[in-house]
Amino acid sequence: DAKTTQPPSMDCAEGRAANLPCNHSTISGNEYVYWYRQIHSQGPQYIIHGLKNNETNEMASLIITEDRKSSTLILPHATLRDTAVYYCIVRSSSGSARQLTFGSGTQLTVLP
Amino acid sequence: GAVVSQHPSRVICKSGTSVKIECRSLDFQATTMFWYRQFPKQSLMLMATSNEGSKATYEQGVEKDKFLINHASLTLSTLTVTSAHPEDSSFYICSARDLQGISGANVLTFGAGSRLTVL
Repeated sequence: DAKTTQPPSMDCAEGRAANLPCNHSTISGNEYVYWYRQIHSQGPQYIIHGLKNNETNEMASLIITEDRKSSTLILPHATLRDTAVYYCIVRSSSGSARQLTFGSGTQLTVLP
Repeated sequence: GAVVSQHPSRVICKSGTSVKIECRSLDFQATTMFWYRQFPKQSLMLMATSNEGSKATYEQGVEKDKFLINHASLTLSTLTVTSAHPEDSSFYICSARDLQGISGANVLTFGAGSRLTVL
């Protein structure tokens, strides 16, 4: 699985958009970009994933650059409950279950 | 959506005793479950892969005789920390994949975690 690089921490004002970057310059053609988050003292939560195209769901949007070497997770209207560590993970998709390897992630703090 | 339940959420035990943590997939079957450990201010580290009906696969450096894993059914995996010591105090998290879930995606669902404190 390709390595990812994320800033260790970011702040965002409540109600504003939070844009979390992730670099994955060694991503290969069959690898997806996954985002999870972990609120303090809880298990990680899946947010969104994508291969090439931008994706949007009820939680967030994922913007992947055309060369796929980086991506940005966007929380359109951050709330205090979005304060968490956000993990960007690159891996291939397969028919069987495979473990996820977590890096250090980005600690997002949403400020009132 | 897929739900993974862990029990207990918190446990305190004395040094030398054993503690069992249960991980259940509530609305799907999971032939494979993963056990992670997380120390304060650190990221999750995979401990072992639990396989239904067969032996677990342990990551390098994880003692299989100390961390016993049993995956006796398609919805239940247990992690037993034997002869616990204070250095085993940690946050233990299990996860599983609903193969009938999000199409084409390798999405894992995580339990809420179990915080173990060994006195």
